[in-house]
Amino acid sequence: DAGVTQSPTHLIKTRGQHVTLRCSPISGHKSVSWYQQVLGQGPQFIFQYYEKEERGRGNFPDRFSARQFPNYSSELNVNALLLGDSALYLCASSHRDRDNTDTQYFGPGTRLTVL
Amino acid sequence: TQLLEQSPQFLSIQEGENLTVYCNSSSVFSSLQWYRQEPGEGPVLLVTVVTGGEVKKLKRLTFQFGDARKDSSLHITAAQPGDTGLYLCAAMNYGGSQGNLIFGKGTKLSVKP
Repeated sequence: DAGVTQSPTHLIKTRGQHVTLRCSPISGHKSVSWYQQVLGQGPQFIFQYYEKEERGRGNFPDRFSARQFPNYSSELNVNALLLGDSALYLCASSHRDRDNTDTQYFGPGTRLTVL
Repeated sequence: TQLLEQSPQFLSIQEGENLTVYCNSSSVFSSLQWYRQEPGEGPVLLVTVVTGGEVKKLKRLTFQFGDARKDSSLHITAAQPGDTGLYLCAAMNYGGSQGNLIFGKGTKLSVKP
């Protein structure tokens, strides 16, 4: 079975531009979460979507937005890019396990560089 | 604000040595997870600990959850070069769902042959 896939793998943008990152969850997973990982840091939560509805939002400006589609894939959009947005953007999907826990499965990430 | 503090931040050891990585917080967590991340890849879940005092073993890796569920440790016995990577602890964010995790900054482990 395919794991979580993300596209593109790498992206270079300039300040002020916008970017759209895409994520396809593992088949059968209805929840998708997005994280930002700056070099040398742990991932930081941005959004969670479940059944196309936003379930949680981290401490990120309104320049960051996301959505989830009927097939449970998801997009993360970032407008008016800043140099500080350069990071690895991770997508994770999950489903409810039999013990009522959600295991997060992470994709390989999209490496965004803002010049 | 909930924080997970990991130590040490960097660790460079020789093959065959033992090591322990720590994850501490002032908050109580219902569960805590350990991930391993290699360069260019996403984190991969190693274990979830749920019960205070719980000890879980995964081959040469031993995970322990503190009695008060505020801290955890990861012990690696006879480290191998394949253990090299970034080790992250994570917990569910307060008031959030299980898809909303907070992570420590990680311990970057390098095992030299």
